[in-house]
Amino acid sequence: EVQLVESGGGLVQPGGSLRLSCAASGFPLSSHGMHWVRQAPGKGLEWISYISGSGSTVFYADSVEGRFTITRDNAENSLYLQMNSLRAEETAVYYCARDRAAEGFGDNWFDPWGQGALVIVSS
Amino acid sequence: DIQMTQSQSSLSTSVGDRVTITCRASQNINKYLNWYQQKPGKAPKLLIYAASNLQSGVPSRFSGSGSGTDFTLTISSLQPEDFATYYCQQSYSIPFTFGGGTKVEIK
Repeated sequence: EVQLVESGGGLVQPGGSLRLSCAASGFPLSSHGMHWVRQAPGKGLEWISYISGSGSTVFYADSVEGRFTITRDNAENSLYLQMNSLRAEETAVYYCARDRAAEGFGDNWFDPWGQGALVIVSS
Repeated sequence: DIQMTQSQSSLSTSVGDRVTITCRASQNINKYLNWYQQKPGKAPKLLIYAASNLQSGVPSRFSGSGSGTDFTLTISSLQPEDFATYYCQQSYSIPFTFGGGTKVEIK
């Protein structure tokens, strides 16, 4: 069964750091690009980052560029999101999601998604 | 950035109704449009990819159409398990962007 499981969420103070993990199973992680998407309480979905299957290509939303870093360890079948300088408005559920392909754009979709990790940024 | 607009934030409907949800892109995105369903407390689920392709395992009452800037998700006969929020998403260019969502509620 193809599955993604996030971990590492929790309570962090404004300005603090947190590292999320996403463990993949049921498929070779290297065969797929991966995304992070977040959802603030009661709000819609916001794409925040992408990494290609090889890890050679990464993209970020402007809102997190320079503060968040996406990485992956294909040998461990794991994806990561290092989040620094966190802000209160970044309180959200953070989802990892698999892209349909290892590389390339135009015609990408996200399937499946993990169950999400809740990050609360508050003093 | 490409803006995705779902003009209906909510719809009140009944079981058995035909439901149409619309999504408009701020520029031409060809057919690079996907639809997701999200139930409360759950992760989004892919329903339709590339505008009109039904994801494996998704009931055939769901269908998608459109190209360019205007897209539609149709549920031919609404079932109780279909009450949820639906999001469109463009994959034409980075940053990938989502519509604001349409919540399908019980009338």
